[in-house]
Amino acid sequence: TQLLEQSPQFLSIQEGENLTVYCNSSSVFSSLQWYRQEPGEGPVLLVTVVTGGEVKKLKRLTFQFGDARKDSSLHITAAQPGDTGLYLCAGRAGTASKLTFGTGTRLQVTL
Amino acid sequence: NAGVMQNPRHLVRRRGQEARLRCSPMKGHSHVYWYRQLPEEGLKFMVYLQKENIIDESGMPKERFSAEFPKEGPSILRIQQVVRGDSAAYFCASSPREYGYTFGSGTRLTVV
Repeated sequence: TQLLEQSPQFLSIQEGENLTVYCNSSSVFSSLQWYRQEPGEGPVLLVTVVTGGEVKKLKRLTFQFGDARKDSSLHITAAQPGDTGLYLCAGRAGTASKLTFGTGTRLQVTL
Repeated sequence: NAGVMQNPRHLVRRRGQEARLRCSPMKGHSHVYWYRQLPEEGLKFMVYLQKENIIDESGMPKERFSAEFPKEGPSILRIQQVVRGDSAAYFCASSPREYGYTFGSGTRLTVV
């Protein structure tokens, strides 16, 4: 069974601070995605990383896929209240279509 | 271009009743996936369907749960004889091929 552990589970920070969320596994994934989910809604895809060592930037968000494709990180610079939500990583193994989701990181950004 | 539509948004069922959750994929999407999310947890894969075919049901409980995606109409996730442990948010996602999901807003099932 493939597992994706996210840390931290909860994070409460003030506007303007930086933060990093980690997603770790002992399994290799062919691709990894990050989603943000707001209360009462479905997850919304932020990014997909495919190549080991790949770094992608989305405005103030920076995503990295580990060299061995077993882990990933999400770094947010100068967090804003609009970044508040549940952040989920999800990996795809081989050619499988299904995703294995991480345990989630709940981020709260206050003024 | 409407997104993935799920209904109902909220569903309350008494123990022993049947729950039917519907998912209309995005236009042009022929792949549908169902996931379940318990409170404060990530999503757990249940089943992957293409039109009229179940491709992967490795995440479906062996009893009481079934899913279909007919040639015409929405995909249906059916839970028979619901129990309190079935209370969760059920999300559907669709894609035009094996990858590239778009999720719906989910159905929140409460069993009383």
